[in-house]
Amino acid sequence: KAGVTQTPRYLIKTRGQQVTLSCSPISGHRSVSWYQQTPGQGLQFLFEYFSETQRNKGNFPGRFSGRQFSNSRSEMNVSTLELGDSALYLCASSLQGTDYGYTFGSGTRLTVV
Amino acid sequence: KNEVEQSPQNLTAQEGEFITINCSYSVGISALHWLQQHPGGGIVSLFMLSSGKKKHGRLIATINIQEKHSSLHITASHPRDSAVYICAVREGGGADGLTFGKGTHLIIQP
Repeated sequence: KAGVTQTPRYLIKTRGQQVTLSCSPISGHRSVSWYQQTPGQGLQFLFEYFSETQRNKGNFPGRFSGRQFSNSRSEMNVSTLELGDSALYLCASSLQGTDYGYTFGSGTRLTVV
Repeated sequence: KNEVEQSPQNLTAQEGEFITINCSYSVGISALHWLQQHPGGGIVSLFMLSSGKKKHGRLIATINIQEKHSSLHITASHPRDSAVYICAVREGGGADGLTFGKGTHLIIQP
């Protein structure tokens, strides 16, 4: 069966712009979570959605937002991009979320110039 | 907030050696995950543990809830095991998302 699909794979944006990343979970998975990975900070949790509701949110500024649609697909948005937002953004889907295994997508590599 | 510490940070070993990677955390958890990340970024979930021990092929994961410690073992290591291994925990109650360790960079030489 199809895995977790993230689009686009690579993205270059200019400071001050905004960006939207997309994540399509495995069919039947209702939970989607998002993570940021940088060389300095490692992996950090952004947010988690379950049945269109944000269930948890990490310690990131309000410029980072997300949503989940009725088909479980999820998007995350970063507004007013900063150089420090350059990172690999990963999403993972899970059957129900808490204490269930995760399947990760290949990630979107965002470069802010 | 949970503090997740992994050791060692880097490990180079010869093919066939028995490998152990350790993970300690500071606050009670509902689940601990071991993840594998290859160059290029793709992450694979290896294990999810809440107690005891799990085995999958040459990989074994154990957790001691009282000591707040988990280990990932690789038996008969192979160059294809070369990757970054990451420990992640979710605190009890699941109120927060995963907290990650910094990862262990493993290189298995032929």
